[in-house]
Formats: sequence, C-alpha cells, structure tokens
Amino acid sequence: EAGVTQSPRYAVLQEGQAVSFWCDPISGHDTLYWYQQPRDQGPQLLVYFRDEAVIDNSQLPSDRFSAVRPKGTNSTLKIQSAKQGDTATYLCASSPGTTSAETLYFGSGTRLTVL
Amino acid sequence: AQKVTQTQTSISVMEKTTVTMDCVYETQDSSYFLFWYKQTASGEIVFLIRQDSYKKENATVGHYSLNFQKPKSSIGLIITATQIEDSAVYFCAMRENYAQGLTFGLGTRVSVFP
Repeated sequence: EAGVTQSPRYAVLQEGQAVSFWCDPISGHDTLYWYQQPRDQGPQLLVYFRDEAVIDNSQLPSDRFSAVRPKGTNSTLKIQSAKQGDTATYLCASSPGTTSAETLYFGSGTRLTVL
Repeated sequence: AQKVTQTQTSISVMEKTTVTMDCVYETQDSSYFLFWYKQTASGEIVFLIRQDSYKKENATVGHYSLNFQKPKSSIGLIITATQIEDSAVYFCAMRENYAQGLTFGLGTRVSVFP
C-alpha cells in the first residue's frame, strides 16, 4: 500500500512569491491534514478535511494561506506572497476517518525556505 | 483546549540502556487519546504507540511502553534496550475527540551512543 505522497520535496522562494504544495493521501483515507513544522518545533495543525469539506481551517496563519481538496482525494496547500516567517516543513497526513483513536500517517513533507 | 508539553529538549543515552521521556497534557475532556510519534533524521514521522484515557493498563508495543499517570496528566514514553536506530526526535500528541486534529508537543531529541 502506497503511503502519503507529497511534492515537491523542497522549495526555495524569495519573499513575495507564491508556492503550492501537493498531497496524495493513502487510498481510502477520508481525512486529510496539513501541518506546519517550524525548525526544532512540533507539527502545528493548519487545516483538515473530511472528504472535500473543510472541517477546521481556523489555524491557517492568514489569508495568504489557502487549501483545497476538490474531489476528496488529493489536496493542495498554497501560500501567496510568502514571508520569511513561513519558512518551515509542511506536512500532509491522512487517516481513515472513523474514530478518535486512529493514528495519522504522514508524508515526507515539503521543506520551504523563504529568503 | 488541548495542550501538550514536553520539557526535555534532548537526552543522550548509551546503547542497550533504557531511556524515559516525559510529557504532560491539558484537557477538559474525560475521554481522550495520547500518542507518541518518532521523527527520524530524514524527517519521516512514524506512529509508535497510543494510550486511551479510559484504559488503566499502560500500553506496550515492542520495546516501547508508556507510563500513564492520569491524576498527574502525564504520559511518559519508555524505550528499553535502546539501539542506535532509536536516535530521533520523539513527539507526544493528543486528541480530545474526533472533531480535532492531533496536538503535538515540541519534541525530545534522543541520541543513542555506542
């Protein structure tokens, strides 16, 4: 069974540029999460979906961040006009979406550097 | 709101010994789930073990075990017979209910030396 796939693996931008991150969850997983992990910190939830619906996007840092999951499968996280403070690893995770006890399965992440 | 605190930044141990790391949490719910994850040097995050709040028995998986002290809101991770490959950052996480994502602590870096 394929794991959670993310691309690109790395991204380097100048401030003000836009970037998109793509995630393909494990097949059959209804719930998809985006986390931001600054250097030397734990993952911090940004947004998550159940199927195509946004369940919680209250932790998205600002209106520069947006996320979609139009068909309830793949997802894209976009940062418009990136800032140096956005430098972090962006992690996608998925879960079957059935119980509170279930674990999350993480992708390898996209390491973003904003110069 | 759920909160997770890991106060140990890093721990160094000799191979084949036991390492213990701490985690305390805050929650208003009577039912919740606690998780430990491992992040390797490559950045991969892997689930290790889970403790359900309503279970009194400490969870054990392979050479990982938990020290669940509910009155203290504490969930420690114990790794016995450590190996070099156990060198990683360990994260404690919790979920109060299905409507929320996991909340992670800052992590504890474990270095295992030969």
